[in-house]
Amino acid sequence: NAGVMQNPRHLVRRRGQEARLRCSPMKGHSHVYWYRQLPEEGLKFMVYLQKENIIDESGMPKERFSAEFPKEGPSILRIQQVVRGDSAAYFCASSPLGQGYEQYFGPGTRLTVT
Amino acid sequence: GNSVTQMEGPVTLSEEAFLTINCTYTATGYPSLFWYVQYPGEGLQLLLKATKADDKGSNKGFEATYRKETTSFHLEKGSVQVSDSAVYFCALSDRDNFNKFYFGSGTKLNVKP
Repeated sequence: NAGVMQNPRHLVRRRGQEARLRCSPMKGHSHVYWYRQLPEEGLKFMVYLQKENIIDESGMPKERFSAEFPKEGPSILRIQQVVRGDSAAYFCASSPLGQGYEQYFGPGTRLTVT
Repeated sequence: GNSVTQMEGPVTLSEEAFLTINCTYTATGYPSLFWYVQYPGEGLQLLLKATKADDKGSNKGFEATYRKETTSFHLEKGSVQVSDSAVYFCALSDRDNFNKFYFGSGTKLNVKP
């Protein structure tokens, strides 16, 4: 049973470009969470999605960031017009039922904005 | 609100020393508590968990007990190895709020041979 997969593992973007981060949850998991880890800090919750639904996006910046989890395919975290402050590691986690279960984390995508 | 506070690092120990990493939490409900470990350049791996008061989570020689009276979940290991060098994160999940996780800032552990 493959774990949570994220790609790319490393992504370099110039200021003003778009970044697309992909996350494939574990087989059988229908709940996806995105977290951001700034250097030397812990992970901060961004958004929680189920298939075709955004359940909680209270941690998402108000502008430039969006997320989706379509019926088919991976979850996508999209950052438009990236700025240097977006440089961070972005982790995706999945869980089977959402409530009361541990989350399984992917290896992360390390975004560098130059 | 929910938050997790853990001791600042780095913590440097010699091999076979005793390890304690303190973690305290604030929660509005009855959270589950977790310790995750992150090796350089990798994602987070679940180390252990406890879902209710007085539960003890254990794995690979690490232990932590869910103490509701002191709102703590300290991580301990009796004899650390060089291979335990990593960053350790304490976290809680809010079961009443979509199971969102709240993480501490992480404690870096360096174990010297």
